[in-house]
Amino acid sequence: NAGVMQNPRHLVRRRGQEARLRCSPMKGHSHVYWYRQLPEEGLKFMVYLQKENIIDESGMPKERFSAEFPKEGPSILRIQQVVRGDSAAYFCASSPQGRGMSEAFFGQGTRLTVV
Amino acid sequence: DQQVKQNSPSLSVQEGRISILNCDYTNSMFDYFLWYKKYPAEGPTFLISISSIKDKNEDGRFTVFLNKSAKHLSLHIVPSQPGDSAVYFCAASISGSARQLTFGSGTQLTVLP
Repeated sequence: NAGVMQNPRHLVRRRGQEARLRCSPMKGHSHVYWYRQLPEEGLKFMVYLQKENIIDESGMPKERFSAEFPKEGPSILRIQQVVRGDSAAYFCASSPQGRGMSEAFFGQGTRLTVV
Repeated sequence: DQQVKQNSPSLSVQEGRISILNCDYTNSMFDYFLWYKKYPAEGPTFLISISSIKDKNEDGRFTVFLNKSAKHLSLHIVPSQPGDSAVYFCAASISGSARQLTFGSGTQLTVLP
């Protein structure tokens, strides 16, 4: 399967717990983007990374949220001490180096539910 | 502040007819626009894009029109097919490389057989 893989597809966390969302980019893609879709809204940019480097995190909430894309392994979006307002679908996309979103492919998303 | 607006949450059209989805934007710095299609429980799929140096781009049944003076773009699907039923998102970026997109809230298109 050569597509962008996100797991888990569904994640349920209690308030105060940590959520870890994983994204494996397409083969040959070195850039990863994370977007969040709140209910009844469009996708909102969170962060753009290349391996071992955060390029643009202007869309990330200042607290509790962090992202990484290590040299080996998937990109991780980490949400500490989750609150009900974090419930959303989180989408990851990947692109080849220097190509941007016009040549990016999205994964199927992780639906996070905070109870 | 919604910089990209899709004012019609839903649209129904008959199979074989034209579907026209509209999108307005407020930020004059946007210079690259994309349309995505999204099925339930899937990620968005890129459909077609247009740069601000053009006013039209066509790809098969899909055509995007850009009116910069009105800050308005539209996606035309001709002829519409039942498989086109999905949520369509308009997105915009401030650089041609389109690293950070601003999305509209989407329009649910239903094509009736």
